[in-house]
Amino acid sequence: GQQLNQSPQSMFIQEGEDVSMNCTSSSIFNTWLWYKQDPGEGPVLLIALYKAGELTSNGRLTAQFGITRKDSFLNISASIPSDVGIYFCAGHGSSNTGKLIFGQGTTLQVKP
Amino acid sequence: DTAVSQTPKYLVTQMGNDKSIKCEQNLGHDTMYWYKQDSKKFLKIMFSYNNKELIINETVPNRFSPKSPDKAHLNLHINSLELGDSAVYFCASSRITGGPWGNTIYFGEGSWLTVV
Repeated sequence: GQQLNQSPQSMFIQEGEDVSMNCTSSSIFNTWLWYKQDPGEGPVLLIALYKAGELTSNGRLTAQFGITRKDSFLNISASIPSDVGIYFCAGHGSSNTGKLIFGQGTTLQVKP
Repeated sequence: DTAVSQTPKYLVTQMGNDKSIKCEQNLGHDTMYWYKQDSKKFLKIMFSYNNKELIINETVPNRFSPKSPDKAHLNLHINSLELGDSAVYFCASSRITGGPWGNTIYFGEGSWLTVV
């Protein structure tokens, strides 16, 4: 089945640094979504991308839907301590059944 | 107001017991899901219902039985619980009727199940 490879698996950065993480797939995806999960909570949608090449920002977060439709990245600028959490990429494949496939997650830790 | 709410949030039970997790969404969505998150934080879909009809049924043991009394509710019943069932179970919902926002999925806060 379709799979997403997300990297890096974890990051430990200093407050104020920029962060970048990405997701790749061997097959085409129709949508790319980026979620953040805080400890003890469910994933919360950060950014949704629906068109190849689309670049979307949400505050300090920027994400892009790759032109090939097989990858996406998420950038966080000027990180702050509350950015700590697990970031998941997710996507819908071409079958459009609503089945959302998740990457393995990137655990972000920010040192004040 | 909580968009996707599920209960209980924490559940500790013995092996062999039967338990249920309830989920309700007030977003007006027509599709609901159950996802399982394992100890490595990997999220995997279990079931999906659209307007009370099962549309996705991944390889899940028969001990897991979802029930959707209406499109705003999707409950998960688990029979004969096993140690390996310990995980976090997330309910979610979306509109699958098309349009650019049709497939955005919103998650509940999770139900932490521990089988001892």
